[in-house]
Amino acid sequence: ETGVTQSPTHLIKTRGQQVTLRCSSQSGHNTVSWYQQALGQGPQFIFQYYREEENGRGNFPPRFSGLQFPNYSSELNVNALELDDSALYLCASSLGGLAGDNEQFFGPGTRLTVL
Amino acid sequence: ILNVEQSPQSLHVQEGDSTNFTCSFPSSNFYALHWYRWETAKSPEALFVMTLNGDEKKKGRISATLNTKEGYSYLYIKGSQPEDSATYLCAFRANDYKLSFGAGTTVTVRA
Repeated sequence: ETGVTQSPTHLIKTRGQQVTLRCSSQSGHNTVSWYQQALGQGPQFIFQYYREEENGRGNFPPRFSGLQFPNYSSELNVNALELDDSALYLCASSLGGLAGDNEQFFGPGTRLTVL
Repeated sequence: ILNVEQSPQSLHVQEGDSTNFTCSFPSSNFYALHWYRWETAKSPEALFVMTLNGDEKKKGRISATLNTKEGYSYLYIKGSQPEDSATYLCAFRANDYKLSFGAGTTVTVRA
């Protein structure tokens, strides 16, 4: 059983650029959630994908978008980067979509720095 | 945005001592309460998913209780060991099913 992996580990971008972060779910999991963790705060829910459809979204603007692929891997795309987008981005896989209360399995995160 | 608060923000414990800390969450629209342990340079690891008022869960020396009517959960570490040093996150799930995390309690166990 493979765990959740994320790439890249670290990334530096400049304001206005676009970025794509990637996540491979744990084997057998059909749900992936993305979180943003700014310094000193808990992870903030961005959105969740279940069977390739977005089925829940937090308070993030439309320039944060995502995809989930048939193999349940996922991407987080952020357009028009702002300085405040600098954060650790975590993905977590689970079973059952938003209604499942199963535990989430987290990846190690991608550290994004926007200059 | 749901208000999930954890206290204290950090604590230092002598090896062998026991400790506990709190997660406070809204008492309405409760669906589940999650606890995670996050060690430095690792991924957050699920400890417990709690759904019933009065629920108590245990994993080794770590246990948790849940009071959904008053909106709090306690996490206990018995006989702390250096490997217990980590940030402990709680996350509240309301009826809209989204997870709202607290900022965490960072535990440092001194040998």
